[in-house]
Amino acid sequence: AQSVAQPEDQVNVAEGNPLTVKCTYSVSGNPYLFWYVQYPNRGLQFLLKYITGDNLVKGSYGFEAEFNKSQTSFHLKKPSALVSDSALYFCAVRVPSGNTGKLIFGQGTTLQVKP
Amino acid sequence: GAVVSQHPSWVICKSGTSVKIECRSLDFQATTMFWYRQFPKQSLMLMATSNEGSKATYEQGVEKDKFLINHASLTLSTLTVTSAHPEDSSFYICSAREGFPNQPQHFGDGTRLSIL
Repeated sequence: AQSVAQPEDQVNVAEGNPLTVKCTYSVSGNPYLFWYVQYPNRGLQFLLKYITGDNLVKGSYGFEAEFNKSQTSFHLKKPSALVSDSALYFCAVRVPSGNTGKLIFGQGTTLQVKP
Repeated sequence: GAVVSQHPSWVICKSGTSVKIECRSLDFQATTMFWYRQFPKQSLMLMATSNEGSKATYEQGVEKDKFLINHASLTLSTLTVTSAHPEDSSFYICSAREGFPNQPQHFGDGTRLSIL
């Protein structure tokens, strides 16, 4: 079965420190990979995606993610965390089968950045 | 960037009434729209996928007569919760995507539905 795992329910970092939110996936074929962020009582905001090419992709708000095919991982990173980065983060995978390929979401990781 | 507008943001209504939620893509044509349900501190549960002009495809366990989805144009989809009951109370989020599968889905801000 195809799945996405975010092994940490919560990640705590101090403001100014680097952060990593982990994501691994198990899908067939070459997936498209996405990261989204959700603030309380809001929808999801798109951060970045990996389709093909460079393994390191850069996205919004200083976030980046590294695609590692051998480890089937797509960890989200930021060199210096801000308190305003505190939110719920979702990793998602789409298998490009046809035009309506569904997103498969991880269970989400709450990022808490403390001043 | 791509904007998806979802209305209303909050609905409180009595048990037995029907509630319609609108989802519009403001600056792109949404070939495909998705409706999700989210419980507190949980991930999104896909309810259905709709292509413009076609019947929606519902996920297993989602009652299509309960959750009516219409995707009549490339910029508008609606979800109607018919004869809503307290167990239907939840956070509903719509999402829209242009035609190419390598494009990200863009999400509305969600609708908090509370059935009394």
